[in-house]
Amino acid sequence: NAGVTQTPKFRVLKTGQSMTLLCAQDMNHEYMYWYRQDPGMGLRLIHYSVGEGTTAKGEVPDGYNVSRLKKQNFLLGLESAAPSQTSVYFCASSPPHTGALNTEAFFGQGTRLTVV
Amino acid sequence: GQQVMQIPQYQHVQEGEDFTTYCNSSTTLSNIQWYKQRPGGHPVFLIQLVKSGEVKKQKRLTFQFGEAKKNSSLHITATQTTDVGTYFCAGKLRSGGTASKLTFGTGTRLQVTL
Repeated sequence: NAGVTQTPKFRVLKTGQSMTLLCAQDMNHEYMYWYRQDPGMGLRLIHYSVGEGTTAKGEVPDGYNVSRLKKQNFLLGLESAAPSQTSVYFCASSPPHTGALNTEAFFGQGTRLTVV
Repeated sequence: GQQVMQIPQYQHVQEGEDFTTYCNSSTTLSNIQWYKQRPGGHPVFLIQLVKSGEVKKQKRLTFQFGEAKKNSSLHITATQTTDVGTYFCAGKLRSGGTASKLTFGTGTRLQVTL
């Protein structure tokens, strides 16, 4: 089982360049998320999606855009990369939540992005 | 700012010693989840707590949800080198909108040496 797959795994960008991170899940999950992980900051939510065609902002959405054109894919775009966006990016997916409960989130392997 | 804090940020123990990490939220949580991330890896779900005062055990790991649902703890008895990693709590903030928005804590990195 592939689970959640992120591409690429590593990338170095120059300031001002653009790129798209791809997240694909084969578990038919409704919900998908993009997090960034920085030392001492934990995981911070960038954007998330509760279904195909819908997206919403998380805690730190500035400088990022997302799209969920297909249920299994969630794309994270950086239009003009900045050094502050150097981070490890994790995609996750989960089944729909029930009432006050959250469901288990399954994470991809991460993308290590460096902006110079 | 960060609404879910964890302490300590880092702890180094000798194998066989106990370890506890604490998760504190500025607002009431509807539920709390715990994840473990091995060095160089990705977070992996451990458990979810829902009820006030709830305690759950997984072998040497004991998870507790506070009575006021604003804090939680993870206690590891007799640590082993396989426990090395970063432990995150994550919760749905009661005032934070939909259940789909998990807020992660800052994490506690555990190092275990022989």
